[in-house]
Amino acid sequence: DTQMTQSPSSLSASVGDRVTITCQASRNIRNCLNWYQQKPGKAPEVLIYDASNLETGVPSRFSGGGSGTHFTFSISGLQPEDVGTYYCQQYDNIPLTFGGGTQVEIK
Amino acid sequence: QVRLVESGGGVVQPGRSLRLSCAASGITFRSYIIHWVRQAAGKGLEWVALIWYDGSIEYYADSVKGRFTISRDNSKDIVFLQMNSLRAEDTAVYYCAKSRIGENADYDMDVWGQGTTVTVSS
Repeated sequence: DTQMTQSPSSLSASVGDRVTITCQASRNIRNCLNWYQQKPGKAPEVLIYDASNLETGVPSRFSGGGSGTHFTFSISGLQPEDVGTYYCQQYDNIPLTFGGGTQVEIK
Repeated sequence: QVRLVESGGGVVQPGRSLRLSCAASGITFRSYIIHWVRQAAGKGLEWVALIWYDGSIEYYADSVKGRFTISRDNSKDIVFLQMNSLRAEDTAVYYCAKSRIGENADYDMDVWGQGTTVTVSS
């Protein structure tokens, strides 16, 4: 199985800050990576697909990058509505696997 | 607008069975791979199973292999997850999700349902 190591597990930042989350895959997954946002009691929503493509309707302050085994996700200008848990997920191979999640809070 | 709606969750005793459904609207359902993903309370996401758009191929997580069966009825735009020999550790919210690209071996999930809750308890 491909292990997805996501860090940090939580972060606290001020409104307007740039925050970055990383995801390391245990093997080459090309660019087959999604980033999700999940708010309490809601289903996850895709923000970034194919490692760097912004999902339709998602604000441009969200971005993703990387390929192979190392990936990053950033929010440039953190907003109060960005509070939630963020997950990376690889879909290169079966079983599909998720990172452990990053809980983002406002300082 | 694409919509996926899960149903069938509930409280069930260990060792018993439950069947979940995922109904789709707003898409050519028969063109898309459908996944089930679960999330235990306060925990992360775990992929459970997928079924190809034509029903010809199924894959399962090791944790459910031999106990869960995924199937679909493309004439009714619905996917099922038959869960047998349920255990306490199967307690979770179960989501279905569709693949991004139709009629393709693409495992990228783009649209998710809102989930249905399964509780396995005596």
